[in-house]
Amino acid sequence: QKEVEQDPGPLSVPEGAIVSLNCTYSNSAFQYFMWYRQYSRKGPELLMYTYSSGNKEDGRFTAQVDKSSKYISLFIRDSQPSDSATYLCAMSVYNQGGKLIFGQGTELSVKP
Amino acid sequence: GAVVSQHPSRVICKSGTSVKIECRSLDFQATTMFWYRQFPKQSLMLMATSNEGSKATYEQGVEKDKFLINHASLTLSTLTVTSAHPEDSSFYICSAGLTTGELFFGEGSRLTVL
Repeated sequence: QKEVEQDPGPLSVPEGAIVSLNCTYSNSAFQYFMWYRQYSRKGPELLMYTYSSGNKEDGRFTAQVDKSSKYISLFIRDSQPSDSATYLCAMSVYNQGGKLIFGQGTELSVKP
Repeated sequence: GAVVSQHPSRVICKSGTSVKIECRSLDFQATTMFWYRQFPKQSLMLMATSNEGSKATYEQGVEKDKFLINHASLTLSTLTVTSAHPEDSSFYICSAGLTTGELFFGEGSRLTVL
């Protein structure tokens, strides 16, 4: 079993839709959770960073962490074609100095 | 967010040659940087942790003599792929983090070995 599981998609939605991206994990020691967006042939761009259970909102993006269920989500409201990219969840145990374990990534396509 | 710069963004080399990739933290100091490798349609796999002023820590299965890492200053880490072969062709990405734990990535370097 992988430490972090993420549905690879691809996921295709119409413009304006609400997108839900999810990851599950098995290591209860993970304390820090991140979502990255990666465009083709580019490095990952940090979107959201959380370290506790609950919700965190930033513009059209909301990150949700449920440590009891070992489940994290990223919601994108009013999705735009420019949101088309691969979304990677990542998590770490802080005392490992920031070493990240990534999910497989979900490929999202937002159609105009 | 913090800026991490990587150079070159793309390199093509002949089999048997060595290639050096640089990673710089532009607006912060990083005692630790990380090198990842990514194959097409796959996620990032950590190769090694680069520690300023000391030896790098390699992940299981990564050959330290093949992938030489040097972290000579608080803003620069280099990855040298020695005696590169076609199977080393990949997308190499570095990252550096803040003390809060947030990690920022460079733009990546695409290596093609002919």
